[in-house]
Amino acid sequence: NAGVTQTPKFQVLKTGQSMTLQCAQDMNHNSMYWYRQDPGMGLRLIYYSASEGTTDKGEVPNGYNVSRLNKREFSLRLESAAPSQTSVYFCASSGDGYYEQYFGPGTRLTVT
Amino acid sequence: AQSVTQLGSHVSVSEGALVLLRCNYSSSVPPYLFWYVQYPNQGLQLLLKYTTGATLVKGINGFEAEFKKSETSFHLTKPSAHMSDAAEYFCAVSRSGGTSYGKLTFGQGTILTVHP
Repeated sequence: NAGVTQTPKFQVLKTGQSMTLQCAQDMNHNSMYWYRQDPGMGLRLIYYSASEGTTDKGEVPNGYNVSRLNKREFSLRLESAAPSQTSVYFCASSGDGYYEQYFGPGTRLTVT
Repeated sequence: AQSVTQLGSHVSVSEGALVLLRCNYSSSVPPYLFWYVQYPNQGLQLLLKYTTGATLVKGINGFEAEFKKSETSFHLTKPSAHMSDAAEYFCAVSRSGGTSYGKLTFGQGTILTVHP
């Protein structure tokens, strides 16, 4: 039982390049989330998916797109990376009930 | 809208001393409250949660927190700090229903340093 897994762990992009961050969970959770973490700002929600087939914007969605590929997988795409997107990205999932979320190990992204 | 304020971005204690990390929230409906811990270069791990029932909740590693509705607070405490407690701690709030179902709002985080 791996929980929430994310790939890659580290990535360096040049401005304008694109990439997809992958996330998968094996806990049969309905809801999945993408956050970014920046120093002094806590975690901010980018997008979330309450169930398979649905996605919604969070607090900071600009510059990102997501795909809920199936119940297990939720990917985050940067179409044209900008230095402001340098951050640590976390994927999380939650089941029904009290909404506690389980987090992946994170992807550290640098855009130069 | 809901929000979370953690008082003090850095807290420093001596090993064996009391740990107190402060969290205040605002929510228009009864909240669910969480504390998460993040060790360097790792993801977040749930320490404890309050949903309903007993207002004093116990978590892992000897931590506990008390939900005080009148003060809109959910402070995290541990009687005796250990070196291994050094980490960043996040308070988070979730609505108990409505359109924000399941979504967490996080505080800015508090970095706990433990001195020998």
